[in-house]
Parts: sequence; C-alpha cells; structure tokens
Amino acid sequence: ETGVTQTPRHLVMGMTNKKSLKCEQHLGHNAMYWYKQSAKKPLELMFVYSLEERVENNSVPSRFSPECPNSSHLFLHLHTLQPEDSALYLCASSQTGNSGNTIYFGEGSWLTVV
Amino acid sequence: AQKITQTQPGMFVQEKEAVTLDCTYDTSDQSYGLFWYKQPSSGEMIFLIYQGSYDEQNATEGRYSLNFQKARKSANLVISASQLGDSAMYFCAMREGSLGAGTASKLTFGTGTRLQVTL
Repeated sequence: ETGVTQTPRHLVMGMTNKKSLKCEQHLGHNAMYWYKQSAKKPLELMFVYSLEERVENNSVPSRFSPECPNSSHLFLHLHTLQPEDSALYLCASSQTGNSGNTIYFGEGSWLTVV
Repeated sequence: AQKITQTQPGMFVQEKEAVTLDCTYDTSDQSYGLFWYKQPSSGEMIFLIYQGSYDEQNATEGRYSLNFQKARKSANLVISASQLGDSAMYFCAMREGSLGAGTASKLTFGTGTRLQVTL
C-alpha cells in the first residue's frame, strides 16, 4: 500500500466543469508535488510545495490551480480544461534535505476531458 | 539537449534471465542523484533504486542494481532473475544540484522503457 493516496483514481469532466484532485501523504514528508504524464511524453513537473513555499512550472496554464493547506494534503483544482489536458496526474512527496531526497508517488488520477 | 535519455522504447526478456535498461544523462552539476522508477499499467510510480553522484559503490536493492559509470554519464538499471511481475514501464530520472535543508527534489524524467517478461 502506497504512503501517498490520490482521489479520485478516475475522473471524466466536461470543459466547463470545475473539479479537484486530492492527494494525501502519510509519510511525514514536508514537500509535495504534482506531475503530469501525457501519452508518449516524459513526466512533467507542474508544482512543488516545499516548507510551505510554492514553486511552479511557468508553462502550466492558469486553469490548473494548486492548493496545499498543510504538509500532508495537496489539491489540484481544475477549471475550464481542454481535451489536451487529459492525462495521468501523479502526486508525490519527499523529505527535503534528506539523503537521496527520494520522491514517493501515489497511484495517480486518470483525467479525461470531454 | 535532453537531460535524460532512454534509447530503448521496448525490451523483451525471458523469465529468470537478467536484463539491462539503458539510461544516459546530461548535467554540468557535480552533485546530482539518479533514480529508477517502475510503472505498472495501474499507473503508480514505484521507486526502485537511487544512486548519488558521489557514491563510489554501485547501488543495489534486491534484484535491482544500478551500473553507474560517471565518466560516461550512464546509469543503467540491471534486473536479475526477471519475473513476470517485472513487466512494466521503467523510468530513469535525475535530480540536479545539492540538497539544502529546505530543498525539494525536482526530478527530470526520461521517456521510459517498456519491459515485457516472457515465459
């Protein structure tokens, strides 16, 4: 069982909908991440929350909005998405400054935009 | 230039045989880390093994070992005694730079290798 849980596992939404992806980590880490995995493309880092500081990839459209209320929870709010946003969204966590600083991933949320 | 290159889109290996998955990387940093992850069809990314740039010994974790050749900038994953459950996508990833107290680990991933283990 993974220490990082994501809900929902599968989501289908229309382009005018507003939905959110939720992530919770049970590993006591202090950094959390959102990655996007599209077909035939490398994983792309979208957002990082580290010690309550947000670092984002400037190429991520504003229709994706992250929220990190505490070190254990991370949300990705979605609104007015496009079909090309259909992808696997992976949440991850790590402990900063740790040797190796290994990132542990959740099982992902499969998003389909219709 | 790509930072992580995995040249094998797909590989086949017979059960109980060993297989090597290739990974080369590009960085000008002296301090960096290299990771391998396994992704079954379910989607979860499973951490397998880590190698730090200053580690003199090749990393090993059970049936997984990392063949680290720093001068060649390669970090190949070796899976010994392959099992049917090893069939999955395998990703090589790199973290550049040294770790500060509050530094998060931003990984750059390769495009992956799909491994199929056959009977």
